[in-house]
Amino acid sequence: QVQLKESGPGLVQPSQTLSLTCTVSGFSLTSYNVHWVRQPPGKGLEWMGRMRYNGDTSYNSALKSRLSISRDTSKNQVFLKMNSLQTDDTGTYYCTRDPDLDYFDYWGQGVMVTVSS
Amino acid sequence: DIQMTQSPASLSASLGETISIECRASEDIYSNLAWYQQKSGKSPQLLIYAANRLQDGVPSRFSGSGSGTQYSLKISGMQPEDEGDYFCLQGSKFPLTFGSGTKLEIK
Repeated sequence: QVQLKESGPGLVQPSQTLSLTCTVSGFSLTSYNVHWVRQPPGKGLEWMGRMRYNGDTSYNSALKSRLSISRDTSKNQVFLKMNSLQTDDTGTYYCTRDPDLDYFDYWGQGVMVTVSS
Repeated sequence: DIQMTQSPASLSASLGETISIECRASEDIYSNLAWYQQKSGKSPQLLIYAANRLQDGVPSRFSGSGSGTQYSLKISGMQPEDEGDYFCLQGSKFPLTFGSGTKLEIK
């Protein structure tokens, strides 16, 4: 069945770089898009960016200067890297699957990231 | 960016009651709208996509409607398991944007 699972450090120091991995199973990264979405504690959702099935990327302009999304199709993994983290980057980070229609039919369980010294 | 205005922010409903949640877009999103349910501590679950298409496995008491800038999610006959947060997502234009959410509780 379709699964996505985020992994990465739970705690990141301010000004450092966040690196997250989304490992997928049950579908191919060359057939579906994967997006990253985040949710600060008690707040709404923010779309971060997309890795398209063909390798193209799109980013939220509010984060574009700090954000990079890449993938390794042989390992069924999509990666997020975001630099210059601040406390307001604290939240739950999700990877999601998109059948190239710009909605998400499956979500990972999410990984909580706290930015704190 | 397309702004998604969702209302109400919270709602209390009795078992069996029919409720509606609205999302209004700041511009035409051509039915590129999805609805999600999120229970506490869990990841969101897709209910409706393309404004009115029911995701496989979702109970038929959930329905979506709307066009242009106005969309709604209806639950026909509130059930205990329907408690949770609901939000909309527009997929018409990048950046994808979400409604601010509706907290639905049992009265």
